[in-house]
Amino acid sequence: DAKTTQPNSMESNEEEPVHLPCNHSTISGTDYIHWYRQLPSQGPEYVIHGLTSNVNNRMASLAIAEDRKSSTLILHRATLRDAAVYYCILRDRNGGSNYKLTFGKGTLLTVNP
Amino acid sequence: EAGVVQSPRYKIIEKKQPVAFWCNPISGHNTLYWYRQNLGQGPELLIRYENEEAVDDSQLPKDRFSAERLKGVDSTLKIQPAELGDSAVYLCASSRGGSGNTIYFGEGSWLTVV
Repeated sequence: DAKTTQPNSMESNEEEPVHLPCNHSTISGTDYIHWYRQLPSQGPEYVIHGLTSNVNNRMASLAIAEDRKSSTLILHRATLRDAAVYYCILRDRNGGSNYKLTFGKGTLLTVNP
Repeated sequence: EAGVVQSPRYKIIEKKQPVAFWCNPISGHNTLYWYRQNLGQGPELLIRYENEEAVDDSQLPKDRFSAERLKGVDSTLKIQPAELGDSAVYLCASSRGGSGNTIYFGEGSWLTVV
């Protein structure tokens, strides 16, 4: 499976935007970029995913570099409830690995009041 | 719509004792997963079911771990006997059949082996 690289931790202030980076230099043309997050004492939850174009939903935005070797998850106004571990995961839409999620260590986001 | 339900939420057992975790997936979800998450790490897949068939159990330690999904709905993960290193969070997840579908996780079962 293609790997992703994320910073171990990031800090933000409440009500400010947060940009969480992810590098995936070995991404293949059929890999989707997925983001999940895990709140304290909870299971992971889906945030957003994309292939080539930038994506928006009610939770976040996903900005994908033109060469697809990196992406950024954007939380437009961080709240205390956004404090979590954020995982950037590649899923090959054609391969057998597409049926599962392979997690790294993710980025621990701390939101300061 | 109810989410993935797991029980028990917390369990403390002595080493060498057995333990079982139960999972009820989201209604209509054919695919069920069991993941294990060690402290400070991301979850790791133990087993994946498509309906009642285990289609990926390559990471399941079969000497002490077993799982079943009778009738293709609920699932049970068992550890017998438990070891200290089995202390972790055991996460159940489910998704609709087919590749690439969103995977939904339960809150997890926290196991401490003493």
